[in-house]
Amino acid sequence: DQQVKQNSPSLSVQEGRISILNCDYTNSMFDYFLWYKKYPAEGPTFLISISSIKDKNEDGRFTVFLNKSAKHLSLHIVPSQPGDSAVYFCAASDSGSGTYKYIFGTGTRLKVLA
Amino acid sequence: DAGITQSPRHKVTETGTPVTLRCHQTENHRYMYWYRQDPGHGLRLIHYSYGVKDTDKGEVSDGYSVSRSKTEDFLLTLESATSSQTSVYFCAISDLKAGSYNEQFFGPGTRLTVL
Repeated sequence: DQQVKQNSPSLSVQEGRISILNCDYTNSMFDYFLWYKKYPAEGPTFLISISSIKDKNEDGRFTVFLNKSAKHLSLHIVPSQPGDSAVYFCAASDSGSGTYKYIFGTGTRLKVLA
Repeated sequence: DAGITQSPRHKVTETGTPVTLRCHQTENHRYMYWYRQDPGHGLRLIHYSYGVKDTDKGEVSDGYSVSRSKTEDFLLTLESATSSQTSVYFCAISDLKAGSYNEQFFGPGTRLTVL
């Protein structure tokens, strides 16, 4: 049972436009969420985080939105650049479990077209 | 980049042989994790450690064992490798800090092929 889902395996966006990557989760106990970017042949790189006490967190061109009632989060990249082409993973954790484990989604491959 | 190295970076082995992958960190982080990445499955947790000699299973632990005898090293052993364990393996580290979400920092990965 996939607790964290990224239903779009791939996404293509024109350079300069907005990229929106989506993530859904099923466990209502999840309260910490992370986004990672992964280039081929490299390890994932931490991008941005959000906790359930917020509904938005911004870092430069990257903004993450959290809708707790819908159990949905999204990553917005504005403006998109060719260097943003990568696989993006969302991850969720239940801080109350004391295990400090994250469950990862299956990833969305973003391609930014020049 | 966080000081995380993995060795070897690439390995080809035969079915039935034991394999050990090493993760080494220089960050003195308490938590260490082993994941495998497979198409269509994303990153799945194999085992993790919350301190020296303290380890626990993740969601895909069958066929794998781990050991952590010192803070900086976390070893993943495939007791008897099978073709289904062909994958890319990532080590990650994290530490609890005030205001932190326990973000994990990943190593470069080990590509393992079991023939």
